[in-house]
Amino acid sequence: QKEVEQNSGPLSVPEGAIASLNCTYSDRVSQSFFWYRQYSGKSPELIMSIYSNGDKEDGRFTAQLNKASQYVSLLIRDSQPSDSATYLCAVVYSGSARQLTFGSGTQLTVLP
Amino acid sequence: GAVVSQHPSRVICKSGTSVKIECRSLDFQATTMFWYRQFPKQSLMLMATSNEGSKATYEQGVEKDKFLINHASLTLSTLTVTSAHPEDSSFYICSAPNRGTRDYNEQFFGPGTRLTVL
Repeated sequence: QKEVEQNSGPLSVPEGAIASLNCTYSDRVSQSFFWYRQYSGKSPELIMSIYSNGDKEDGRFTAQLNKASQYVSLLIRDSQPSDSATYLCAVVYSGSARQLTFGSGTQLTVLP
Repeated sequence: GAVVSQHPSRVICKSGTSVKIECRSLDFQATTMFWYRQFPKQSLMLMATSNEGSKATYEQGVEKDKFLINHASLTLSTLTVTSAHPEDSSFYICSAPNRGTRDYNEQFFGPGTRLTVL
């Protein structure tokens, strides 16, 4: 059973702080890793994708991938109240016909 | 970009009726689309993979006779909830990968359809 696990929330950080979201996955044979943001009542929105070990930065977001540890994280710098949402980690495993396997999500609240 | 639309965005129906939800890729062709269901405060659950020109592949526990999927063209997939019951009330979301993007695994989600069965 291929699984994706995220650190339990909810997570609250003050405005301007760094929010750190973590995710582990169960199978080494994995291809692509994604972070989606989902506001209440809305569908997921892709914010970061990462495919190789290391860091990938996009604005205030940094994704980190460590395939040896089967770990992927998302850092949000200078957190804003508008970042308050549920963050979903998703993995595409090899041979899965591009199916996304989602974690349970971490609810982030950025306090003004 | 890669835009996926869904229609309707919200539907309320009586128990026993059927409801059709459309998922369209507006600016790309999608040979594959995915249908998810999401209950309150839960993550997305994959229901089925819709394949253009062939039968849909359903996940374990999803009734294929209740959730009919038709991938009519390279830009349209439909999900029909037949004989809907209150327990079918949920947020239904479709997604599609875009072959034109760098990573074909990257999926673009529709805005979702909120189904309420009375």
